[in-house]
Amino acid sequence: GDSVTQTEGLVTLTEGLPVMLNCTYQTIYSNPFLFWYVHYLNESPRLLLKSSTDNKRTEHQGFHATLHKSSSSFHLQKSSAQLSDSALYYCAQESGSFNKLTFGAGTRLAVCP
Amino acid sequence: NSKVIQTPRYLVKGQGQKAKMRCIPEKGHPVVFWYQQNKNNEFKFLINFQNQEVLQQIDMTEKRFSAECPSNSPCSLEIQSSEAGDSALYLCASSLLGGIEQYFGPGTRLTVL
Repeated sequence: GDSVTQTEGLVTLTEGLPVMLNCTYQTIYSNPFLFWYVHYLNESPRLLLKSSTDNKRTEHQGFHATLHKSSSSFHLQKSSAQLSDSALYYCAQESGSFNKLTFGAGTRLAVCP
Repeated sequence: NSKVIQTPRYLVKGQGQKAKMRCIPEKGHPVVFWYQQNKNNEFKFLINFQNQEVLQQIDMTEKRFSAECPSNSPCSLEIQSSEAGDSALYLCASSLLGGIEQYFGPGTRLTVL
């Protein structure tokens, strides 16, 4: 079945440093949709980025990611971390199975002053 | 910002008791999803609906959980006989028909004592 792997459970950074959160996926479908959701404590998970286009960079709110089907990856990046970026980040895929999402285990990003 | 409403926000039950939570999807969204986020912050898909019809559900949901999305009423997810392992954040999400994006509510945090 489908699966999403996020290798880092916790990433701790100093404010101003670049962010990279890893995401790889497995699916039998040739055209998966990949997503990044951000989840702040006591709030609703919120869509940050999405893509189904191979090798095209997608950007939103300073974050960006590029879907690479050749390596089954959709890593999340930001050039300069801010304190307000501290949250849980989930990579997820939707692969045509009634649109349900398969999530990775999540990466907690902690940005320190 | 998501307009998915979930009630109650917190629910405390004893083992063996019923636990019921409700979800009002965004207006105009006929597709509703339930996910469970466990203590390790891992998401698990439970069930989804299109209008009143179940699209897909996992085995666990079939056995001890019941869910419905009646016309003109909130959707609901009920655990017939709560177990300690059911303690989790239950998230409801909704989407447009054929829509890729899912919009999440803030969740119901269930604690089973």
